[in-house]
Amino acid sequence: NAGVTQTPKFRILKIGQSMTLQCTQDMNHNYMYWYRQDPGMGLKLIYYSVGAGITDKGEVPNGYNVSRSTTEDFPLRLELAAPSQTSVYFCASSGLYEQYFGPGTRLTVT
Amino acid sequence: AQRVTQPEKLLSVFKGAPVELKCNYSYSGSPELFWYVQYSRQRLQLLLRHISRESIKGFTADLNKGETSFHLKKPFAQEEDSAMYYCALSGLSGGSNYKLTFGKGTLLTVNP
Repeated sequence: NAGVTQTPKFRILKIGQSMTLQCTQDMNHNYMYWYRQDPGMGLKLIYYSVGAGITDKGEVPNGYNVSRSTTEDFPLRLELAAPSQTSVYFCASSGLYEQYFGPGTRLTVT
Repeated sequence: AQRVTQPEKLLSVFKGAPVELKCNYSYSGSPELFWYVQYSRQRLQLLLRHISRESIKGFTADLNKGETSFHLKKPFAQEEDSAMYYCALSGLSGGSNYKLTFGKGTLLTVNP
């Protein structure tokens, strides 16, 4: 039981490039989330999903897109990377009583 | 709108001293409150939920609706408690952890 896994762990992008952050969970959770963590700012919700085929915006969705074709996977897409998207990205899924977090992806846009 | 405020970015105490990490919230309904912890080089994990009224690793937190607070306390801090602590709020009832709003976090350092 791996829990929530994320790939890659680190990535450096040039401005304007695109990439997809992968997230997979093996706990059969319906709810999944993407957060970004900036120094001194806590975690902010980017997008979330309540089940396969259903996604919705969180607090800071601009510049990102998501899809949820299966229960297990919830990829986050950056279409035109900007320096403001330099951050640590966490994926999470909800069990009955808590959110389970992935190890994070550290993204730098230069 | 719901909001979580952790007024201290940094908190430093000595081993064996009491520690209190402050958390205040703003929410018009009945919130569910949580404390999450992130140890160095580890992923974020749940420490405790107010609805369960548990004591985890010696930490407790009481929801004070009058003061809209959910402070985290431990009577005797240990070096292994050094970590980043996040207070979080869910606007749904029933112990739900759906769509959490996080505070900015407090970095606790316990000195030997």
